Amino acid sequence: QVQLQESGPGLVKPSGTLSLTCAVSGDSISSVNWWSWVRQPPGKGLEWIGEISHTGTTNYKPSLKSRVTMSVDKSKNQLSLNLSSVTAADTAVYYCATDEGSLGMDVWGQGTTVTVSS
Amino acid sequence: EVVMTQSPATLSLSPGERATLSCRASQTISSSYLSWYQQKPGQAPRLLIYRSSTRATGIPARFSGSGSETDFTLTISSLQPEDFAVYFCQQNYDLPYSFGQGTKLEIK
Repeated sequence: QVQLQESGPGLVKPSGTLSLTCAVSGDSISSVNWWSWVRQPPGKGLEWIGEISHTGTTNYKPSLKSRVTMSVDKSKNQLSLNLSSVTAADTAVYYCATDEGSLGMDVWGQGTTVTVSS
Repeated sequence: EVVMTQSPATLSLSPGERATLSCRASQTISSSYLSWYQQKPGQAPRLLIYRSSTRATGIPARFSGSGSETDFTLTISSLQPEDFAVYFCQQNYDLPYSFGQGTKLEIK
């Protein structure tokens, strides 16, 4: 089974760009059809950000679509998430997870905390 | 966009009791695309149930799921101390995918 590890800067300035990676280990990134990014603001619920297939096809949450970019790097076996023009409302724990359709999000990373502050 | 609404927001029960958590979708979804997750403080969510009623690997039999169309239920037959956590339902039937706001199961 794959294991996931998110990483990135813990602090991002307002109006800047949040850039995270999700390292996939235990198997090839191509072994999973879809990968999702989910975030959780402090003390709040889960918000689906979007998903990317191992071939690079993306689906984004409409309210975030203008600011989100997801990508797959098969050579490094990792996923990336970029979120531009961030505000304090983007402060959250960010998770990557496998997204196997009707089989649910079976494997999650441990999450990485991002704070947007000057 | 499908809005998932969970109730109650907080459920206070004692170990050994039965817990019934509800999740309602704002429109009909396929039961094949409804999942439940458990989250404990400081941890990532853990998949409990997929396809509305299938337990994920390693999930005890006291957890069961049911439902169809817009109404779904997660039942914990006899609460164990480790079951007190927050539970989320999620639909990935229709884009954008969405989670319920969560039900906090606390010890009474």
